[in-house]
Amino acid sequence: GAVVSQHPSWVICKSGTSVKIECRSLDFQATTMFWYRQFPKQSLMLMATSNEGSKATYEQGVEKDKFLINHASLTLSTLTVTSAHPEDSSFYICSARRSGTGGLKETQYFGPGTRLLVL
Amino acid sequence: AQKITQTQPGMFVQEKEAVTLDCTYDTSDQSYGLFWYKQPSSGEMIFLIYQGSYDEQNATEGRYSLNFQKARKSANLVISASQLGDSAMYFCAMSEYSSASKIIFGSGTRLSIRP
Repeated sequence: GAVVSQHPSWVICKSGTSVKIECRSLDFQATTMFWYRQFPKQSLMLMATSNEGSKATYEQGVEKDKFLINHASLTLSTLTVTSAHPEDSSFYICSARRSGTGGLKETQYFGPGTRLLVL
Repeated sequence: AQKITQTQPGMFVQEKEAVTLDCTYDTSDQSYGLFWYKQPSSGEMIFLIYQGSYDEQNATEGRYSLNFQKARKSANLVISASQLGDSAMYFCAMSEYSSASKIIFGSGTRLSIRP
């Protein structure tokens, strides 16, 4: 089956620092990756759609300067939380859609998530 | 704009009983897909089942079946013979063809199985 990894799985940082989270598709190419954020006991909220070789598309209300997304290759997308603050503490999950798939039935493969705690 | 509604924040079910998790959706698209995901306490998202808007038959995957009622815009998940390992959060989700296939999630239902 398709595997998506995220690194790191856990990160604790001080307020004001920037944190980079990597999302990799290990055994397939992903033209499109998605980034979600999940607060405790809440649902997954889509933050942005990451397209290889082009700018990410952000959902309404998501600060693009705060959450920098780079999809530099067909297997890697990165999310950088710039100048992180305690309110940015959350569970960040990425998903990857296999390249060449055109139908809705094609499953997005989710990474295991990254827990960010900003002190 | 797409919208997913799950009205059951939490449910308790006796082991071995069947359980239905409710999901309604709203979309103006003719082409869309409906998903159910399971999220255990570890946080990983586990794909359970998919139903396409043009699929005439209800989807089934092992103990999971999706009761798709297109006119009512509902896509309930039915878990037969529940097991203790089924205790988790369950999310209904939708993807529209016109929205670049991004998946939008409902608020979720926490299912707890009693031994």
